[in-house]
Amino acid sequence: DSGVTQTPKHLITATGQRVTLRCSPRSGDLSVYWYQQSLDQGLQFLIQYYNGEERAKGNILERFSAQQFPDLHSELNLSSLELGDSALYFCASSVRGGDPTDTQYFGPGTRLTVL
Amino acid sequence: SQQGEEDPQALSIQEGENATMNCSYKTSINNLQWYRQNSGRGLVHLILIRSNEREKHSGRLRVTLDTSKKSSSLLITASRAADTASYFCATDAMNTGFQKLVFGTGTRLLVSP
Repeated sequence: DSGVTQTPKHLITATGQRVTLRCSPRSGDLSVYWYQQSLDQGLQFLIQYYNGEERAKGNILERFSAQQFPDLHSELNLSSLELGDSALYFCASSVRGGDPTDTQYFGPGTRLTVL
Repeated sequence: SQQGEEDPQALSIQEGENATMNCSYKTSINNLQWYRQNSGRGLVHLILIRSNEREKHSGRLRVTLDTSKKSSSLLITASRAADTASYFCATDAMNTGFQKLVFGTGTRLLVSP
């Protein structure tokens, strides 16, 4: 158990809908990262937050947004869902986020299925 | 896009044998990390090797890094059925000011009893 929690575990929804994925980092970690893992694209970095502020952006679509709240939990919002958004979405956390030796601890993931 | 390419894509061995996985990457890095993922589950951090290190050990794991060839290898010795998983290398590019991991394509390891 990494100490990172994600809810829900599974989500099945229809195209065009909007969903929110939630992540709670390990106690004491200030940075949260979101990743998407799909069969065709592999594991891709989406976005990072550090202590409530966006720190880095990766291959995140405009239909997706995220935020980190004062209690450091984070939410990833996916809107206008398409079939291709079906994937595993992982959250990870680390103590700092700017230190290259920081270890990222991954949550169990949310499996999103768009029908 | 993925920076790392891993080889082989899949590897099947017997318990007790050694497993070697290779990772190649494209740009200069601060460090390289290896992660394990059991089927459909979260990634577990295994080991981190810094760009100025050449070899690192952790239990049955041995990682090497050759920055001149932009490649790394992960050796698992005396493999066990519980080692069955996918293994990913992840690189952290230099001079970005933040830690953005770029993952490889992964090697699927199957260890048979």
